[in-house]
Amino acid sequence: DGGITQSPKYLFRKEGQNVTLSCEQNLNHDAMYWYRQDPGQGLRLIYYSQIVNDFQKGDIAEGYSVSREKKESFPLTVTSAQKNPTAFYLCASNFQTGANVLTFGAGSRLTVL
Amino acid sequence: KQEVTQIPAALSVPEGENLVLNCSFTDSAIYNLQWFRQDPGKGLTSLLLIQSSQREQTSGRLNASLDKSSGRSTLYIAASQPGDSATYLCAVSPYNNAGNMLTFGGGTRLMVKP
Repeated sequence: DGGITQSPKYLFRKEGQNVTLSCEQNLNHDAMYWYRQDPGQGLRLIYYSQIVNDFQKGDIAEGYSVSREKKESFPLTVTSAQKNPTAFYLCASNFQTGANVLTFGAGSRLTVL
Repeated sequence: KQEVTQIPAALSVPEGENLVLNCSFTDSAIYNLQWFRQDPGKGLTSLLLIQSSQREQTSGRLNASLDKSSGRSTLYIAASQPGDSATYLCAVSPYNNAGNMLTFGGGTRLMVKP
């Protein structure tokens, strides 16, 4: 079945450590996105990529980094520079033409100890 | 900057009621508006997408309307069921970016009691 796979589902990090969240899609979608969700709040865009080897900052990119070496993969690294990294992280993807309906992964919950 | 507001933040209704969830946005220059469902600890599932030229979309017991000039959208759920319990989010995409930069509302957490 086609879809988006995020891993790990739960991740614990000590302060000062970098962690990488994985996002893989087999939908042949062109664009991929990373969102952050805090309790009771809407989603905020961290980074997005419309094409391989290219990506743009979203509203809250500071303290995060991404890469897009393959069309199927868009990993997110939460660096030690991110002051408040505890959150629920969602990856999404869509085609660049047509209705632009987003497909989401199941999410990764990061907790800083 | 676009702002999206959803009222109420939480709603509890008995099974069988018809209900309306509200979404308002400050900039009417949108490309489309989407309604999503999110179950606890899960990702989002797209329910309905309304293009800026459309007034409403229907899927089963769900009906979404769009009044772009007034910056409002409503999601109507008919004959609610306990399985409808979830958080519902709306999101708008700006007209000049064809859907890449969605702005989300904070969501309405719905509980349908048996």
